[in-house]
Amino acid sequence: DSGVTQTPKHLITATGQRVTLRCSPRSGDLSVYWYQQSLDQGLQFLIQYYNGEERAKGNILERFSAQQFPDLHSELNLSSLELGDSALYFCASSPEVAGSYEQYFGPGTRLTVT
Amino acid sequence: AQSVAQPEDQVNVAEGNPLTVKCTYSVSGNPYLFWYVQYPNRGLQFLLKYITGDNLVKGSYGFEAEFNKSQTSFHLKKPSALVSDSALYFCAVRDWGNTDKLIFGTGTRLQVFP
Repeated sequence: DSGVTQTPKHLITATGQRVTLRCSPRSGDLSVYWYQQSLDQGLQFLIQYYNGEERAKGNILERFSAQQFPDLHSELNLSSLELGDSALYFCASSPEVAGSYEQYFGPGTRLTVT
Repeated sequence: AQSVAQPEDQVNVAEGNPLTVKCTYSVSGNPYLFWYVQYPNRGLQFLLKYITGDNLVKGSYGFEAEFNKSQTSFHLKKPSALVSDSALYFCAVRDWGNTDKLIFGTGTRLQVFP
């Protein structure tokens, strides 16, 4: 158990809908990352938050957005869903201290868009 | 731009034999390298990292990795494979610049046969 929690584990929804994925980082970790894992794209970085502020964006679609709250949990919002958004979405957290740059991943949310 | 390559989609090894999963990297600057393992329907689990220091890095579950600067490689090794080691293995490199994201390889499926 990495200490990173994600809910829900599975999500099945229809095209055009909007969903929210939730992540709680490990205790004390200020950085939260979101990644998407799909068969054709592999593991792709979406966005990073650090202590409530957006730090970096990857190949995140405009239909997707995220935020990190004062208690450091994060939410990834996916809207106007398309079939191609079906994927496994991971959240990761990191202590971001010198010498300790590894990221700890949650179990993921499997999104199926029908 | 930073990148990692995993040249083998799948590695097959008999239980009890040594295993090697290959990874090569391309970075501008010092490479911060990581190995992760993903079991079916699970998140990524951190195995080990190379930041600096000894070229042989020891990690979880008896795994180790050898950093080779001249060959720009970071191969994952284990002296004696177990059937339970069968999983998907990812090599990753930390990005430098505006983001601290991890850049992942395409993954190598390790199959250990009894």
